[in-house]
Amino acid sequence: DVKVTQSSRYLVKRTGEKVFLECVQDMDHENMFWYRQDPGLGLRLIYFSYDVKMKEKGDIPEGYSVSREKKERFSLILESASTNQTSMYLCASSLWTLRRGDSYEQYFGPGTRLTVT
Amino acid sequence: GDSVTQMEGPVTLSEEAFLTINCTYTATGYPSLFWYVQYPGEGLQLLLKATKADDKGSNKGFEATYRKETTSFHLEKGSVQVSDSAVYFCALKGGGAQKLVFGQGTRLTINP
Repeated sequence: DVKVTQSSRYLVKRTGEKVFLECVQDMDHENMFWYRQDPGLGLRLIYFSYDVKMKEKGDIPEGYSVSREKKERFSLILESASTNQTSMYLCASSLWTLRRGDSYEQYFGPGTRLTVT
Repeated sequence: GDSVTQMEGPVTLSEEAFLTINCTYTATGYPSLFWYVQYPGEGLQLLLKATKADDKGSNKGFEATYRKETTSFHLEKGSVQVSDSAVYFCALKGGGAQKLVFGQGTRLTINP
């Protein structure tokens, strides 16, 4: 059974703290993604990685960075947490799309609900 | 660029009612189409998918048909249950793309 795990389900941090959100997948997937989910805004892509040490900015990368040192692990870093980063954070992974006809879906973790006070 | 437009929610139905959640898309080429479901407090799970025109995806009593002529992928279920209460996301993946494009999500509540 495929599995994406996230380090915490709930996290409370103070403004200005450095925050690490960890995601691990056991499916040997090339691609990994970080999203944030807010009411009325749906899912927004923060960063995407398609290989170890490779990353690509998503739609809302400001205030975030990422790290992918091993294929199975993708970390999201909030360098200096702010209250507007209070949100649900979702990690996902998928196989690399090689051909136009490939329809590989993304597999999601359970999410981390982060509150910044 | 590619985009997905979903029926705005929230949607509230009684148990055993017929469900339709509309989804239309804009994309070049031949995207793959997906429906994801998010139960309270959980991440997203793939509900069904279709990869080419006229394909029908189905799972757990839900169905959706890939209609290229109307660029639609509406989700349907003949008789909903309380346990179907969740947020439903329509998504597409363009040919050769690595990323999914999601709709805004539709919150569905089923009352007993």
